[in-house]
Amino acid sequence: KAGVTQTPRYLIKTRGQQVTLSCSPISGHRSVSWYQQTPGQGLQFLFEYFSETQRNKGNFPGRFSGRQFSNSRSEMNVSTLELGDSALYLCASSLVGRGREQYFGPGTRLTVT
Amino acid sequence: GENVEQHPSTLSVQEGDSAVIKCTYSDSASNYFPWYKQELGKGPQLIIDIRSNVGEKKDQRIAVTLNKTAKHFSLHITETQPEDSAVYFCAARFAGGTSYGKLTFGQGTILTVHP
Repeated sequence: KAGVTQTPRYLIKTRGQQVTLSCSPISGHRSVSWYQQTPGQGLQFLFEYFSETQRNKGNFPGRFSGRQFSNSRSEMNVSTLELGDSALYLCASSLVGRGREQYFGPGTRLTVT
Repeated sequence: GENVEQHPSTLSVQEGDSAVIKCTYSDSASNYFPWYKQELGKGPQLIIDIRSNVGEKKDQRIAVTLNKTAKHFSLHITETQPEDSAVYFCAARFAGGTSYGKLTFGQGTILTVHP
């Protein structure tokens, strides 16, 4: 079974631009969560989607948004990029239900210049 | 909100030794505690997890223990090998609400196994 895939793997953007990242979950997984990983803040939860609905959101500004499609694929968008948005953005998928294992993709490395 | 503290931040051992990484969590309602291994250039890989109704779980050279009263859990790696060198993260998931997926992570431990 294929794992979580994320595209693109690497991205370089300029301050003020916007970016869209894509995540395809493991087949059969309907819950998708996004995390930001930086050296200073570690792994921080961004948001979670299930049944095309945002179920939970972390403490990030409104510039960070996401959505989920009917096939469970998810996208996240960051508008008006800032230098501090440079990070590894990770997507994780799981089956629905409490205590379900969460599997991560390889991440998208975003660099904002 | 939930907070997870992880120690040590770096750990250096000789091949064949054991390694122990410890985490404490703040929210007593947390009920799921996974451990991830992250190698350079890769996403975190789930290596073992434990639920709050279990005190210990073992998978070959890896074991995790949970003390709900003290709100801490630990990862034990025995007979370490150079390929165990990586960053290890603990995490906790709060049981309440409608969310299935929000994990709160510790800051990570850089494990180096010297041949």
